[in-house]
Amino acid sequence: DAGVIQSPRHEVTEMGQEVTLRCKPISGHNSLFWYRQTMMRGLELLIYFNNNVPIDDSGMPEDRFSAKMPNASFSTLKIQPSEPRDSAVYFCASSSEFTYNEQFFGPGTRLTVL
Amino acid sequence: GDSVTQMEGPVTLSEEAFLTINCTYTATGYPSLFWYVQYPGEGLQLLLKATKADDKGSNKGFEATYRKETTSFHLEKGSVQVSDSAVYFCALSAGGTSYGKLTFGQGTILTVHP
Repeated sequence: DAGVIQSPRHEVTEMGQEVTLRCKPISGHNSLFWYRQTMMRGLELLIYFNNNVPIDDSGMPEDRFSAKMPNASFSTLKIQPSEPRDSAVYFCASSSEFTYNEQFFGPGTRLTVL
Repeated sequence: GDSVTQMEGPVTLSEEAFLTINCTYTATGYPSLFWYVQYPGEGLQLLLKATKADDKGSNKGFEATYRKETTSFHLEKGSVQVSDSAVYFCALSAGGTSYGKLTFGQGTILTVHP
């Protein structure tokens, strides 16, 4: 059974460009989470969805960040325009209410904004 | 609100030493408790969990007991190996309408020397 799939694994872009990160959760999981991890700020929850509906986006740093979940098997996190301070590792995780909410993490996308 | 506090790191040990990483929490109701581990360059993965008071989670020689009276979930291992070097995160899930959201501690970096 495949785990959480994220793409791309690495992204290097220039300041001002649009960046789209993608996530495929584990089949059957009904909650999806986007995190950002940096050395300075640690692990931060950006937004999470339940049954494809955004529940809490209070962790999204600015209007430049947006996330969508058009169906149960796909989510995107978009940054437009990107800035150097957005450089981080972005993780997607999914969970199910039937497994005591254990979250399963993807391998992450390492984003570098020059 | 819910919160998790971990002992400050980094922690440096010699191989075969005893490990304790302290974790205390604040939550309403009866949360589930987790320890996640992050190896270099990877996403977080579940190490162990406990879903009710007095439960002991265990995996790969690591153990933690859910102590409701002291609101603690300390991680222990009797004899660490170099391969245990990683970042360890304590987390809780409040259940109910939290939709699987996890509240994480700040993480503890463990380095084990031969």
